[in-house]
Amino acid sequence: ETGVTQSPTHLIKTRGQQVTLRCSSQSGHNTVSWYQQALGQGPQFIFQYYREEENGRGNFPPRFSGLQFPNYSSELNVNALELDDSALYLCASSLVSGAPTDTQYFGPGTRLTVL
Amino acid sequence: GENVEQHPSTLSVQEGDSAVIKCTYSDSASNYFPWYKQELGKGPQLIIDIRSNVGEKKDQRIAVTLNKTAKHFSLHITETQPEDSAVYFCAASIRSTLGRLYFGRGTQLTVWP
Repeated sequence: ETGVTQSPTHLIKTRGQQVTLRCSSQSGHNTVSWYQQALGQGPQFIFQYYREEENGRGNFPPRFSGLQFPNYSSELNVNALELDDSALYLCASSLVSGAPTDTQYFGPGTRLTVL
Repeated sequence: GENVEQHPSTLSVQEGDSAVIKCTYSDSASNYFPWYKQELGKGPQLIIDIRSNVGEKKDQRIAVTLNKTAKHFSLHITETQPEDSAVYFCAASIRSTLGRLYFGRGTQLTVWP
C-alpha cells in the first residue's frame, strides 16, 4: 500500500452534472498530480499541485479544476460532465525537495461513470 | 511534449520464462523512467525506476535497462510467476516539470502456469 487514499471508490453521474473527487497524499509528500485513465489506456496527466498552486496542466479543458489544501490533500472538480469523462481518476503524490526525488505513488483511483 | 511508445501490447509467457517489455521516448530532456504494475481494479504500483545517470538497475527478478543514445528503456522479468500477470506501464518524466509522467499505452502480461 502507498498511503495515498482516494474517495469515493465509485461514482455514477449524468451528463451536465458536476463532480468532486478527493485525494489524501502520502505522509510527508507535498505534491499531488491527477491523471485520467480511460479503459485500456495509460494514465493521462490532468494537472499537478505544488504548495497549493497549480503547477502544470495537460491537455484538459478548464472545466477540470482542482485545489490543494495546506495539509497537501487535494480535490479534482469536473463541471458539465460529458460521456467521455467516464474513466478511472488517479491521484499520485510525491515529494519535491530539490533532490532528485520524482517518484510518484498512486492511490487506488475513483471510477467515474457518466450516463 | 514527451511521447512514449510501448511494445508489445500483449505478452503471454509460460511460468518460469522471461518477459521483456520495451519503450521508447522522444524528448532527450527526460531523465526519470519508472515502471508501474496495475492489477485489475487497482491503481498503478511502482515496481522499479531508473534515472538517466544509470544504465541498468536490478531488484530481485526485475531489471530495467536504459539506452539514452537510442532513447529506449526496457523491463526484464525473469522466472515469471502467475502473480506477475497484470498490465505494465512504462513512463518518462522531465525533471523541470516536477515529475509529470508521460505513460505508454501498457502491456498486458499473462503468465500461464
